Amino acid sequence: DAGVIQSPRHEVTEMGQEVTLRCKPISGHDYLFWYRQTMMRGLELLIYFNNNVPIDDSGMPEDRFSAKMPNASFSTLKIQPSEPRDSAVYFCASSFRFGGNQPQHFGDGTRLSIL
Amino acid sequence: SQKIEQNSEALNIQEGKTATLTCNYTNYSPAYLQWYRQDPGRGPVFLLLIRENEKEKRKERLKVTFDTTLKQSLFHITASQPADSATYLCALESGGSYIPTFGRGTSLIVHP
Repeated sequence: DAGVIQSPRHEVTEMGQEVTLRCKPISGHDYLFWYRQTMMRGLELLIYFNNNVPIDDSGMPEDRFSAKMPNASFSTLKIQPSEPRDSAVYFCASSFRFGGNQPQHFGDGTRLSIL
Repeated sequence: SQKIEQNSEALNIQEGKTATLTCNYTNYSPAYLQWYRQDPGRGPVFLLLIRENEKEKRKERLKVTFDTTLKQSLFHITASQPADSATYLCALESGGSYIPTFGRGTSLIVHP
């Protein structure tokens, strides 16, 4: 089984540009999570979806961030306009929530650098 | 406020010894606790889950304990190997949401 697939693996762009990160979850998983990881703050949950519906976006730092899940096999995280402080590694994870205590399966992340 | 604490200093040990990593938490009543491994440039990988009514869980060379009175979990790797060098993160379910919150992780370095 293929794992969670994220693209691109690396993104370098200039401040003010729009950035779109992509994620393909594991087939059959009904939960999808977006995280951001930095040295200072560790792994922070930004937003999560259940059956393609956003459930909790309280971790999204600002209105510049938005996420969508148009179908069960694809999600995007968009930053517009981007700022240098958005530089981080962004992870997507998925899980099959049966019994409420299933592990999360992570992609290998997108390393984002905003110049 | 809720807090998950893992030692920010790297743990250096000699190959063959047992590595013990600590996860302390405050203001949580987690139903379960998970441990993940993260290698540089990779996403976290799930290792073990332990429920609040379980004192100990084992998987091959790994052992996890969960003390809800002390609000602490210990993660042990016996007969450690250089390949065990990585960052280890604990994660706790928060407030019945089934969504885990992660600690910042502890780096383990096993020297040959």
